[in-house]
Amino acid sequence: GAVVSQHPSRVICKSGTSVKIECRSLDFQATTMFWYRQFPKKSLMLMATSNEGSKATYEQGVEKDKFLINHASLTLSTLTVTSAHPEDSSFYICSMIGRNVYEQYFGPGTRLTVT
Amino acid sequence: AQKITQTQPGMFVQEKEAVTLDCTYDTSDQSYGLFWYKQPSSGEMIFLIYQGSYDEQNATEGRYSLNFQKARKSANLVISASQLGDSAMYFCAMREGWGFGNVLHCGSGTQVIVLP
Repeated sequence: GAVVSQHPSRVICKSGTSVKIECRSLDFQATTMFWYRQFPKKSLMLMATSNEGSKATYEQGVEKDKFLINHASLTLSTLTVTSAHPEDSSFYICSMIGRNVYEQYFGPGTRLTVT
Repeated sequence: AQKITQTQPGMFVQEKEAVTLDCTYDTSDQSYGLFWYKQPSSGEMIFLIYQGSYDEQNATEGRYSLNFQKARKSANLVISASQLGDSAMYFCAMREGWGFGNVLHCGSGTQVIVLP
């Protein structure tokens, strides 16, 4: 069964609204979660590393005020796309390492469309 | 420099035949893990197989096997007896070190289409 859940799976929103995406670990505690963004037919681009109880580490070029990450507990990390614009339309996917370092799981992803 | 290189953007394979997906990696770490994922059109990333840098045997999982050539820094995925359901995007990925906070770097992917 799934070990990582992500909600919602699909969002269509108007430009200017904020969208929150939740990523939950169902089977283990994760001190670190990763947020990726994927454009159609492209690779996964790491946006940020989310650490429980501390500030996220953002990759170069990713606006931290635009993409707010909160890792409130060992099983939940949220990504909020603030004041979304059409160029933020993308597939957002979270990931975390499992109980062992040879396990890395991805959430099912969230497809965001901003009109 | 790219940490993971997948040189085949797309491939066609006949059903029931085997297919090899190329992957080379770049790292100066001695400890690392290599992963392959399948991404169907639904978007979910499905874990297929893992190879640790110290594993002497090539990893196998059912119809998937990883051809690990450490000196050449290659980790090709072999899918035997292809099925129509294998049509998907395939990503090779690497994580350096054994830390739980270490980043997984993904390649650009290979689109596989299995023909009946």
